[in-house]
Amino acid sequence: GQQLNQSPQSMFIQEGEDVSMNCTSSSIFNTWLWYKQDPGEGPVLLIALYKAGELTSNGRLTAQFGITRKDSFLNISASIPSDVGIYFCAGSEETSGTYKYIFGTGTRLKVLA
Amino acid sequence: GAVVSQHPSRVICKSGTSVKIECRSLDFQATTMFWYRQFPKQSLMLMATSNEGSKATYEQGVEKDKFLINHASLTLSTLTVTSAHPEDSSFYICSAILLGGGETQYFGPGTRLLVL
Repeated sequence: GQQLNQSPQSMFIQEGEDVSMNCTSSSIFNTWLWYKQDPGEGPVLLIALYKAGELTSNGRLTAQFGITRKDSFLNISASIPSDVGIYFCAGSEETSGTYKYIFGTGTRLKVLA
Repeated sequence: GAVVSQHPSRVICKSGTSVKIECRSLDFQATTMFWYRQFPKQSLMLMATSNEGSKATYEQGVEKDKFLINHASLTLSTLTVTSAHPEDSSFYICSAILLGGGETQYFGPGTRLLVL
């Protein structure tokens, strides 16, 4: 199936550092969402973006919906050990009134204490 | 709010048997539920879109006779893996869209299926 390109694939960072990851697509999306998934669990919504250019924060997390509607980035400031996990972006497209998500390939984050 | 549950959380079955997985929206009504499959260290792949009271829409390559989906109410969708084989072993995750809540999907905790 179709997937979004997400980078980096994985990253090791020191506790306290800032993290940045992004997602790009060849298609335009109406909505971009960022999720975090811990091992053996379902994804948990972090931030939802609904308008091109929108910049939204949720605590230490900040995400932006690209102007072209084909990309988005997620920043995590002052990382802590519990930020470890897999982060997925997802773009939403509508077909005949039904929404469908396309997921990114994921960014695996490991935080070194 | 917007809690989605799945049952069972994990199941082990013999090859050839059928397994039913339930997805429930606990505190909201969901017009649409989605079923995903996730292999280890990979992203989520959409299997089908389930709308209450109508037939599910399956993604290309997903066998509708093997993965039976029923969406009988606004709070419950079921996925039945029929005649399961070892290659069906995977992590199955459902999600639901809040009625009137736009495009945001809320995910269940997932069901790990192991077919022996």
